[in-house]
Amino acid sequence: DAGVTQSPTHLIKTRGQQVTLRCSPKSGHDTVSWYQQALGQGPQFIFQYYEEEERQRGNFPDRFSGHQFPNYSSELNVNALLLGDSALYLCASSFRPRQVFSYEQYFGPGTRLTVT
Amino acid sequence: AQSVTQLDSQVPVFEEAPVELRCNYSSSVSVYLFWYVQYPNQGLQLLLKYLSGSTLVKGINGFEAEFNKSQTSFHLRKPSVHISDTAEYFCAVSRVTGGGNKLTFGTGTQLKVEL
Repeated sequence: DAGVTQSPTHLIKTRGQQVTLRCSPKSGHDTVSWYQQALGQGPQFIFQYYEEEERQRGNFPDRFSGHQFPNYSSELNVNALLLGDSALYLCASSFRPRQVFSYEQYFGPGTRLTVT
Repeated sequence: AQSVTQLDSQVPVFEEAPVELRCNYSSSVSVYLFWYVQYPNQGLQLLLKYLSGSTLVKGINGFEAEFNKSQTSFHLRKPSVHISDTAEYFCAVSRVTGGGNKLTFGTGTQLKVEL
């Protein structure tokens, strides 16, 4: 049973560029959440997708956007990269049986983004 | 809104000694409580969770935590640590009701087990 997978593992970008990160949820899961973890900090919630729509959003600017596909996989896009966007980006998946949120989230290994 | 405070940024301990990692939370609504572990260059792994019922929760790798509603705490304990327990530990909460199940994390506690 494959867990949550993310790609790429590492990424180096220049300020002002755009980046796309990808996530495939655990088998059977339909909800994907994205978190940003800066060095030495706890993860911060960016947003959550289910039924292909953004359902919850944390305190992140509009430069951060996402998408969920019919197969439940998801992308995180960041435009106009800033040095402060350098972080580990974590994807987590869960499922909503009968429209009730599962309380347990499974995390992927993350994508390490470095902005120079 | 919810918030989580992990009082200790680093906890050094000798192998086979007991350890307690402290976590306090603040919330105006009922929450679920979690402890996650993060090994170097890896994602987060769920150690244990409190949803309801018994306030003493047992998790993987010999860890346990006790929910104390009056003190709004959820401290993590292990009676005898091993070198392999060296990692970053995060306490997190999520709302019991309301749309979504986003997690709010503390800043983490680095557990360093020494010989």
